[in-house]
Amino acid sequence: GAVVSQHPSWVICKSGTSVKIECRSLDFQATTMFWYRQFPKQSLMLMATSNEGSKATYEQGVEKDKFLINHASLTLSTLTVTSAHPEDSSFYICSARGTSGRAVGYNEQFFGPGTRLTVL
Amino acid sequence: GESVGLHLPTLSVQEGDNSIINCAYSNSASDYFIWYKQESGKGPQFIIDIRSNMDKRQGQRVTVLLNKTVKHLSLQIAATQPGDSAVYFCAENTNDYKLSFGAGTTVTVRA
Repeated sequence: GAVVSQHPSWVICKSGTSVKIECRSLDFQATTMFWYRQFPKQSLMLMATSNEGSKATYEQGVEKDKFLINHASLTLSTLTVTSAHPEDSSFYICSARGTSGRAVGYNEQFFGPGTRLTVL
Repeated sequence: GESVGLHLPTLSVQEGDNSIINCAYSNSASDYFIWYKQESGKGPQFIIDIRSNMDKRQGQRVTVLLNKTVKHLSLQIAATQPGDSAVYFCAENTNDYKLSFGAGTTVTVRA
């Protein structure tokens, strides 16, 4: 149980284009999803918190107009990198927090496999 | 701001030996901690967690120790195997269910 998927697993795009990354909770409902960015040999940095049916909350320094987040259902959140540039190349990882069971009391987040974005 | 950090960035261990990975945290208000394992090119994988009202928790081959007095967290892996080679992160529960990750320790298992 508690499986989170991401699509695509990797993407290469030209500078100036937009890229959409999907995050799905496959076997549980996620009221909250989180988006992280990870540069090579670095830790995960939280970009934003996505709550179903409401606007995402962005961390300081993250441009909300550049990284558009939509959480339209309890099992799907999307991150769109608009007008991507080479400095946006990174490993984007989502996580989902469940609505019931052990996850409620323990804030256990289940992570997706990540999406490698390369902007040329 | 306060954040979670690590004592050592790399750890080399002989197969079969025990591994100890350390983590220091600075937010005394943190009440929940998690250890994650991340293999190259993959997302973090949950290993074990511990709440602040505990000082020790054991799982399969892993033990997490929490010392709130010195704000220190450790992960012990028994009988380390080649498949344990990965980057290990400690994460700290802050507010609004956000997790703050440490820098990570790269564990390399020698055959």
